[in-house]
Amino acid sequence: GAVVSQHPSRVICKSGTSVKIECRSLDFQATTMFWYRQFPKKSLMLMATSNEGSKATYEQGVEKDKFLINHASLTLSTLTVTSAHPEDSSFYICSARMAQSSYNEQFFGPGTRLTVL
Amino acid sequence: QQQVKQSPQSLIVQKGGISIINCAYENTAFDYFPWYQQFPGKGPALLIAIRPDVSEKKEGRFTISFNKSAKQFSLHIMDSQPGDSATYFCAARNRGSTLGRLYFGRGTQLTVWP
Repeated sequence: GAVVSQHPSRVICKSGTSVKIECRSLDFQATTMFWYRQFPKKSLMLMATSNEGSKATYEQGVEKDKFLINHASLTLSTLTVTSAHPEDSSFYICSARMAQSSYNEQFFGPGTRLTVL
Repeated sequence: QQQVKQSPQSLIVQKGGISIINCAYENTAFDYFPWYQQFPGKGPALLIAIRPDVSEKKEGRFTISFNKSAKQFSLHIMDSQPGDSATYFCAARNRGSTLGRLYFGRGTQLTVWP
């Protein structure tokens, strides 16, 4: 149980295009999902927190118009990188908070490697 | 300001040895402390977690020791194996946070030599 999937696992795009990444909780409901960015050999940097049915909360310094987040249902959140540039190349990871458990654990997806040419 | 401080940054242990990773925090409102294991190119996986009402939690070869008064907690990996080679992150969550945001340490890269 507690599986979170991400799609695609890897994407290469040209500068100026938009890329959508999907995050799904497969066997549990997640009222809250988180989006992280991770640079090589670095820790997880929280970009935004999304609640189902409401607007995402962005961390300071994260451009909300560039990184669009939609939490359409209790099992799906999407991150769209708009007008991508090479500096957006990174490893993007989502996590989903399990609402049904007493600890409200967070489970991570496998990540999406974005390369912008 | 880093909410959770983790050390060491890297750790090399011989197979069969004990790996110890330490974390410290200042915010007394933290009430949940998970550890995550991450292999290269993969997402972090929840390894083990503890709450402040207990001083130790053990799951297989993995043990969390928690010292509430010192505001420190550590991960012990007994009988370390080459397959344990990964990056480990400690984290903490504020009980007052309705969204449940986690604050992560910087990570420890563990290498277990065969």
